[in-house]
Amino acid sequence: DQQVKQNSPSLSVQEGRISILNCDYTNSMFDYFLWYKKYPAEGPTFLISISSIKDKNEDGRFTVFLNKSAKHLSLHIVPSQPGDSAVYFCAAKNPSGTYKYIFGTGTRLKVLA
Amino acid sequence: NAGVTQTPKFQVLKTGQSMTLQCAQDMNHNSMYWYRQDPGMGLRLIYYSASEGTTDKGEVPNGYNVSRLNKREFSLRLESAAPSQTSVYFCASSKLAGGPIASTDTQYFGPGTRLTVL
Repeated sequence: DQQVKQNSPSLSVQEGRISILNCDYTNSMFDYFLWYKKYPAEGPTFLISISSIKDKNEDGRFTVFLNKSAKHLSLHIVPSQPGDSAVYFCAAKNPSGTYKYIFGTGTRLKVLA
Repeated sequence: NAGVTQTPKFQVLKTGQSMTLQCAQDMNHNSMYWYRQDPGMGLRLIYYSASEGTTDKGEVPNGYNVSRLNKREFSLRLESAAPSQTSVYFCASSKLAGGPIASTDTQYFGPGTRLTVL
């Protein structure tokens, strides 16, 4: 049972436009969320995070929005660049679970030049 | 500063063979982790080491053993490989001791080992 779901396996966006990647979770106890970016043949790298006490966190072109009532978070990339083409994983931290971080299945973003 | 390194990058095994995946970090991190990534699934935690000298099971530990050789190195061993262990394996480390319990500690990942078991 996937507790963290990324329902879109892939997304294509034109360069310069906004990319919106979505992530849904099932456990209201999750209190911290992260996005990782992964290029082929490399490990995931940390991108941005958000605590459950906030609804928005911004870092340059990257903004993460959290809607706790909907158990939904999204990553916005504005403007999208070809170098953003990668697989994006969301992860959620469960403060009461043994394994703490639960990862989604990833969304492959392709930014078209 | 290489970060997290893993060897080998690729490996093909026959069912029943054994092998050890090596991981090292040069960031003086306290916690280290082994994950596997399978198609259509998120990263799943196999084992972790919350500090030098300690290891604990993660979500999917069966068929694996680990050794935290020292603060830098954390190895994953498959004693008798099975086709179900075909996967991409990632090692990660984080600064704080405590492993997954450390509150918002960022994990840094290695480049992965692609393992195929025939």
